[in-house]
Amino acid sequence: NAGVTQTPKFQVLKTGQSMTLQCAQDMNHEYMSWYRQDPGMGLRLIHYSVGAGITDQGEVPNGYNVSRSTTEDFPLRLLSAAPSQTSVYFCASRNTGVGYTFGSGTRLTVV
Amino acid sequence: SQQGEEDPQALSIQEGENATMNCSYKTSINNLQWYRQNSGRGLVHLILIRSNEREKHSGRLRVTLDTSKKSSSLLITASRAADTASYFCATEKNTGRRALTFGSGTRLQVQP
Repeated sequence: NAGVTQTPKFQVLKTGQSMTLQCAQDMNHEYMSWYRQDPGMGLRLIHYSVGAGITDQGEVPNGYNVSRSTTEDFPLRLLSAAPSQTSVYFCASRNTGVGYTFGSGTRLTVV
Repeated sequence: SQQGEEDPQALSIQEGENATMNCSYKTSINNLQWYRQNSGRGLVHLILIRSNEREKHSGRLRVTLDTSKKSSSLLITASRAADTASYFCATEKNTGRRALTFGSGTRLQVQP
């Protein structure tokens, strides 16, 4: 099925561990972005990409890295997990003129 | 930081009534989008309105945009229990950045 696939769906990390959240889309979308959603709040932009090889920071980039080596994949790396990074992470993609398609999210807990 | 505020933060209505949600934003935009999120789920795109458009319809949804006031509204007509969800407005800024800045959302409860 066409869409945005995020893995894993759930993850528990210990403080200081690193991990990569995967995001893949099969719709040939140019634009991809990562967001975090904390309880009772809207989404905040972490990083985004307007095409393969091009990434930029959003509003809350500290502690996260991204890369976009292909059109399809946009992984988010947590460098050294902290309890403040406990959140639900969403990946989204779109092309010009249409709305974003969101993945189902990764629920991350850092203990 | 959030782009703006949504009003009201929570809304409870009866099935069949109309629901209106308002959104304000702070900077010049390329477009404004509305999304729905059911509890614990991902976001679903509802409608996109460009900065040069004033009104858009999609089924039971009507969106207006007033760029002079930096505000938008979402009207859901003849609401159903299945419309119960959180609704978010989000903007793409007029800076070439292709990513969204979200409002804080409105939690809509439609009573059967």
